[in-house]
Amino acid sequence: DIQMTQSPSSLSASVGDRVTITCRASQGISTWLAWYQQKPEKAPKSLIYAASSLQSGVPSRFSGSGSGTDFTLTISSLQPEDSATYYCQQYNSYPRTFGPGTKVDIK
Amino acid sequence: EVQLLESGGGLVQPGGSLRLSCAVSGFTFSNYDINWVRQAPGKGLEWVSGISSSGSTYYADSVKGRFTISRDSSKNTLYLQMSSLRAEDTAVYYCASPRGFGYAFDYWGQGTLVTVSS
Repeated sequence: DIQMTQSPSSLSASVGDRVTITCRASQGISTWLAWYQQKPEKAPKSLIYAASSLQSGVPSRFSGSGSGTDFTLTISSLQPEDSATYYCQQYNSYPRTFGPGTKVDIK
Repeated sequence: EVQLLESGGGLVQPGGSLRLSCAVSGFTFSNYDINWVRQAPGKGLEWVSGISSSGSTYYADSVKGRFTISRDSSKNTLYLQMSSLRAEDTAVYYCASPRGFGYAFDYWGQGTLVTVSS
């Protein structure tokens, strides 16, 4: 099974800051990597698919990059509504494993 | 508009059974993989099970042998039959599906809560 790790597990940043979350797969997954945002008591929302493709309707301040085993999610200018937990997920193979999540707070 | 609507959650005793349903509307249900994902209280997302367009089924090790995924294409409905339930199966269960090939989990339901407790 492919294991996914994320760092950091949490972060606190100010409005306007650039935020980067990293995700690592235990083996190569090409670009079969997605990012999700989840707010409390809500279902996850897809932000990025295929490592770097932005879902329709997602603000352009979100971007993804990487391939193989190392990936990043970047928020170019953090906004108050970006306070949430972010998860990466590989869909190269089953089981479709998620990373443990990164909680982003606004200072 | 695409909608996934889960139902069937509730309180069940350890060792008991429960069947979850996910009614899908707004897209061609049988063309893509569709999955169950769960989230225990205060924890992260855990992929549980998936069924491919060809009918192949996949399970997390934590539920293998206890849970069965199936779908009824005539009803556009996905199911998860859960048996031998344990306290650690307590979670919100979501169904999730891609919008097409190359996508991950674009569409999510609102979730249904399963509580395993005596």
